[in-house]
This record gives sequence, C-alpha cells and structure tokens, in this order.
Amino acid sequence: EAQVTQNPRYLITVTGKKLTVTCSQNMNHEYMSWYRQDPGLGLRQIYYSMNVEVTDKGDVPEGYKVSRKEKRNFPLILESPSPNQTSLYFCASSLSGRTDEQYFGPGTRLTVT
Amino acid sequence: AQKVTQAQTEISVVEKEDVTLDCVYETRDTTYYLFWYKQPPSGELVFLIRRNSFDEQNEISGRYSWNFQKSTSSFNFTITASQVVDSAVYFCALSSEYNAGNMLTFGGGTRLMVKP
Repeated sequence: EAQVTQNPRYLITVTGKKLTVTCSQNMNHEYMSWYRQDPGLGLRQIYYSMNVEVTDKGDVPEGYKVSRKEKRNFPLILESPSPNQTSLYFCASSLSGRTDEQYFGPGTRLTVT
Repeated sequence: AQKVTQAQTEISVVEKEDVTLDCVYETRDTTYYLFWYKQPPSGELVFLIRRNSFDEQNEISGRYSWNFQKSTSSFNFTITASQVVDSAVYFCALSSEYNAGNMLTFGGGTRLMVKP
C-alpha cells in the first residue's frame, strides 16, 4: 500500500530534550516536506527536500533540522525543543515537487512542556 | 511572496444545504497551481483537487464543484446537498512555478460543520 508513515504519532517531552520524528514513504517520491499545523494558521512549511542530499527552508525553519540521506526517509530533528514548538506535524511527499498532489502522513502531535 | 486567505474560519450548515468555501490567493507568477485538501475529524489530510492557472474551467465531481476565477484571484469550493460526512476542515493551497524556493502555501483553513 502506498503510504507515508510517521513515528511517533504522539510525543510529550520537556524543553531542551532533543527529539527526532521519523518520516518514510514507499512511493519513490522525489519531493518530501514537513509542515506544522496550528489553529488559525493552517499548515506552514518547515523544510522541504527536492531529492537526496537536497534540502531547503520553508516558511518556519527556526528550531528545526532535517536530513535526506535516503530517498525514502526525511526525519525532522528538534535539537532543543521549546514550548512554542508544541504543534501537530505532518510529513508529506509528492512525485516531483510542490506542484504535484501531496501525500500526507498521519501526523505527529508534539507537546513540549 | 505568495499568500492564501480563507476568510471563513467556521461555517455551520444543516444537512442538505449547499455551502461555498472561499479561497483568495495572491501571487506574482503567471503560472501557478491551486489545491484543496480535506481534513476530517480523524486528522488525516486528503487531496481533493489540483488546478493550474491556465485551466479556468470549472470542475464538478459528484456533489463537489470548484469555481476558479483569475479575475478575482479566487478558487472557491462548493458542496451541494451537504452531508454530515462533509464535516471537516478544508484547506486551500497555492504553489507558484517560479517563486523563491519550492514552497507550498496553505490558507488558514475553514472548519465546516454539517448538522443533521
């Protein structure tokens, strides 16, 4: 089944404790991205990747890191989480870019206390 | 820069009513793509439609229809004879061909509540 998976689905952590949210897709998609969803703000793009070893900042990259060492995986790293990073995070992939239909993962709800 | 505005934050209708969700976008590019996504209460994001800037034909898919008007920079979504299962948050999104980077910009979303 074609899908985007994210783990964990739910995470409660404390300020400053490094964490990684994994994202994996099995559709051989070139483009992957991370979004955060906050009430009233819709989805805002954090980082995206056009291909392996090619990543770039989206609208709200501060406090986040990503890597794309393999085509299928695109982890989101929070080196020192803060409470303002409490949000719902979505990973997405598409065949060749942002002009294609995006396939979204199920979301990761992160709470930073 | 590009921007998407969904002025209606919440809409409540009674089942079988028609409802239109508004989407207004801003871009300096002449080539761009517009999208609608649905987020039901379960939380996943479901793709509904993609339209490029050169195709101004309206589209109908069952009870769903989309009205794209470049003159007013709008891409509105109408649900005919709404059903309870249509209750969800709906997002409009924009991607420009030549904007800086390769970003996809979403509007703030419209929460639609369909009451039985």
